[in-house]
Amino acid sequence: AQSVSQHNHHVILSEAASLELGCNYSYGGTVNLFWYVQYPGQHLQLLLKYFSGDPLVKGIKGFEAEFIKSKFSFNLRKPSVQWSDTAEYFCAVNDQGGKLIFGQGTELSVKP
Amino acid sequence: DAGITQSPRHKVTETGTPVTLRCHQTENHRYMYWYRQDPGHGLRLIHYSYGVKDTDKGEVSDGYSVSRSKTEDFLLTLESATSSQTSVYFCAISERSSGDSPLHFGNGTRLTVT
Repeated sequence: AQSVSQHNHHVILSEAASLELGCNYSYGGTVNLFWYVQYPGQHLQLLLKYFSGDPLVKGIKGFEAEFIKSKFSFNLRKPSVQWSDTAEYFCAVNDQGGKLIFGQGTELSVKP
Repeated sequence: DAGITQSPRHKVTETGTPVTLRCHQTENHRYMYWYRQDPGHGLRLIHYSYGVKDTDKGEVSDGYSVSRSKTEDFLLTLESATSSQTSVYFCAISERSSGDSPLHFGNGTRLTVT
């Protein structure tokens, strides 16, 4: 069965620092990959997605993610974080049945 | 934001009582989902629906049932609430299967079982 692992549970950064959040999945077949963000007190929103094509995907608010098939990874990056990026970030991958499986989430705290 | 309304937004109930959560959408999307969100577990799929009267179980379906009698409404019922069902419940919708198209989430229902 598909599983998704986010290794960083809580990341604390200062403003302008660079960000990389790890995401690894287990199923080696064709995958669709997503990053969702949940701002404090709000619902989840789509940040970016990868279905096929260029493995470097750009999303909203300056975020990007790179799909590395050989490493079963889809890490999220941002060159310079802002206080407003404080949120919880979820990686998600489709399973063999087409349903979406979420990682445990990474809480990002950005200090002003 | 997609037109998804969850009700109630907050609910406190006692162990052993039945509880029904409602999700209403105005997007006419075929797929609807119920997830629960718990610290350290991310989001876990409870049940989902791929059409009127067509539903299936997710990874944490024990103790929950669902019904979808209309395209726009997807109900989640806790037959006999337990403290382990204290959680935040999110409804989501998608045009195609969730692995093939983005999910749009409602604002959540915070359920406390005492």
